[in-house]
Amino acid sequence: EAQVTQNPRYLITVTGKKLTVTCSQNMNHEYMSWYRQDPGLGLRQIYYSMNVEVTDKGDVPEGYKVSRKEKRNFPLILESPSPNQTSLYFCASSYGGAYNEQFFGPGTRLTVL
Amino acid sequence: AQSVAQPEDQVNVAEGNPLTVKCTYSVSGNPYLFWYVQYPNRGLQFLLKYITGDNLVKGSYGFEAEFNKSQTSFHLKKPSALVSDSALYFCAVRDNNFNKFYFGSGTKLNVKP
Repeated sequence: EAQVTQNPRYLITVTGKKLTVTCSQNMNHEYMSWYRQDPGLGLRQIYYSMNVEVTDKGDVPEGYKVSRKEKRNFPLILESPSPNQTSLYFCASSYGGAYNEQFFGPGTRLTVL
Repeated sequence: AQSVAQPEDQVNVAEGNPLTVKCTYSVSGNPYLFWYVQYPNRGLQFLLKYITGDNLVKGSYGFEAEFNKSQTSFHLKKPSALVSDSALYFCAVRDNNFNKFYFGSGTKLNVKP
């Protein structure tokens, strides 16, 4: 089944404790992206990647890191999480760059205390 | 600056009646526009997109959208609403210069029996 998977689905952590949210897609998509969803703000793009080893900042990259060492994986790293990073995070991927529809993962709900 | 506006937080419609969910955008160059739907506790699902061509775009589940360049709008429509259409709808625009995406704040559609 074609899908985007994210782990963990739920995470409660404390300020300053490094964490990684994994994202993997099995569709051989070139484009991958991370978003955060906050009430009243919709989705905001954190980082995106056009292909392996090619990443770039989205609209709200502060406090986040990403890497794209393999085509299928695009982990999101929070080196020192803060409470304002409490949010619902989505990973997405699309074929052929940013022209086509994105397939979204199920989301990761992160709470930073 | 690129942006997307969804002026209505919520739209209420009776089952069987037509529905419209509004979206206006601001982007440099030709717009690439998308509509996504989010059901509770799920990731976003693609509905339709406008890249070029006919201003009326047909998509999944009977939805369509009308692109209006002069009004910079891309309203989502359906001739006859179903209770199962109740969900959160997002409009998105691609930034043509940087392969980034901008989403609106979302519109909650309530279809009542």
